[in-house]
Amino acid sequence: GAVVSQHPSRVICKSGTSVKIECRSLDFQATTMFWYRQFPKKSLMLMATSNEGSKATYEQGVEKDKFLINHASLTLSTLTVTSAHPEDSSFYICSAISLAPTKNIQYFGAGTRLSVL
Amino acid sequence: GNSVTQMEGPVTLSEEAFLTINCTYTATGYPSLFWYVQYPGEGLQLLLKATKADDKGSNKGFEATYRKETTSFHLEKGSVQVSDSAVYFCALNDNNDMRFGAGTRLTVKP
Repeated sequence: GAVVSQHPSRVICKSGTSVKIECRSLDFQATTMFWYRQFPKKSLMLMATSNEGSKATYEQGVEKDKFLINHASLTLSTLTVTSAHPEDSSFYICSAISLAPTKNIQYFGAGTRLSVL
Repeated sequence: GNSVTQMEGPVTLSEEAFLTINCTYTATGYPSLFWYVQYPGEGLQLLLKATKADDKGSNKGFEATYRKETTSFHLEKGSVQVSDSAVYFCALNDNNDMRFGAGTRLTVKP
């Protein structure tokens, strides 16, 4: 089946630094990838939709300059949390749409737990 | 807009008990429906899916039937195991507009 790799799985950083999270589709091409944020004991919140070669579409309330998304190729999207602060601590999950063999299914990465000190 | 409502947890069951987690949805189009499972410390894994009315998705003993008349997609398993302890998310995808329920934490005790 389709595999999405997310790296790193866990990162601890100091307040004010930037953190980059990578999301790769390993065995399929993903023209569209999604970035979610999961708060403790809550559901996933879609942050942005990332399309290869174009600007990401951000959900209302998500700061574009804070959460930079780059989808440079059909297999890689990155999320950079700029000038991270403790309130950015969360579990971030990416997903990718696979067009083959089954359409309309999102496959998820294992997630990245970000802790900002 | 589209939305998913699922049964609040947590749910605690004994091993071999019957499981039902209710899920209802609201959608403007004709969505595909999914159940995802999240084991402790991990990301989401697709558990099962159904793409049209009356379809039944099944995997690992779990089942859910796409009921258009009741806009429901309840998850069931006849005999749960300790290894089924996880958080379960109901979700819909309507033309790439994906919505998740709040998640239901299931704990199965031996």
